[in-house]
Amino acid sequence: GEQVEQLPSILRVQEGSSASINCTYENSASNYFPWYKQEPGENPKLIIDIRSNMERKQTQGLIVLLDKKAKRFSLHITDTQPGDSAMYFCAARAPLTGNTRKLIFGLGTTLQVQP
Amino acid sequence: EAAVTQSPRSKVAVTGGKVTLSCHQTNNHDYMYWYRQDTGHGLRLIHYSYVADSTEKGDIPDGYKASRPSQENFSLILELASLSQTAVYFCASSVTGSGNTLYFGEGSRLIVV
Repeated sequence: GEQVEQLPSILRVQEGSSASINCTYENSASNYFPWYKQEPGENPKLIIDIRSNMERKQTQGLIVLLDKKAKRFSLHITDTQPGDSAMYFCAARAPLTGNTRKLIFGLGTTLQVQP
Repeated sequence: EAAVTQSPRSKVAVTGGKVTLSCHQTNNHDYMYWYRQDTGHGLRLIHYSYVADSTEKGDIPDGYKASRPSQENFSLILELASLSQTAVYFCASSVTGSGNTLYFGEGSRLIVV
């Protein structure tokens, strides 16, 4: 089946530095790539997304990059704060067939921001 | 923000017993989903539905059934619970069309003993 590979699985950074998470996908027809943040004991929440007609998107200290040729996308968190400590999931939307609306999730990255 | 509520939030079930997890959304979303979260496996799709009275298999449907009696409600049913089904289960909903932003419920922690 289709997979989304996400690396690293654990990422430890110092407060104030940047953090980067990378994902690759298999199907070149995938066209939507969201990122979800899950804080301990809570549900995942969408933080930023990018569509295949864009190469870069930025919002509130978050940058996502998309390289369609390499089938790779990434999340960059600038000036990390303790509140950024969480699990992050990337996802890719499988090609639409009929009423299919499925996201394929990566396995997640645990980000730990150390004071 | 979309409101998706799950019940129960936590349950201990015995092996071979029946478990029903319920999900209710109040935002008129067409699509509803059940995901399972396990350490090391991320979020995996079990079943989903895009209209009432219809359900579709996700990526790991074996051992699970789903029911969508109305647009607002989506249940996940474990007819014969097994130890391997111990996990956190998330319900989610989304509107029809592009974007596909998922709004997750708070999760249901199921322990099968």
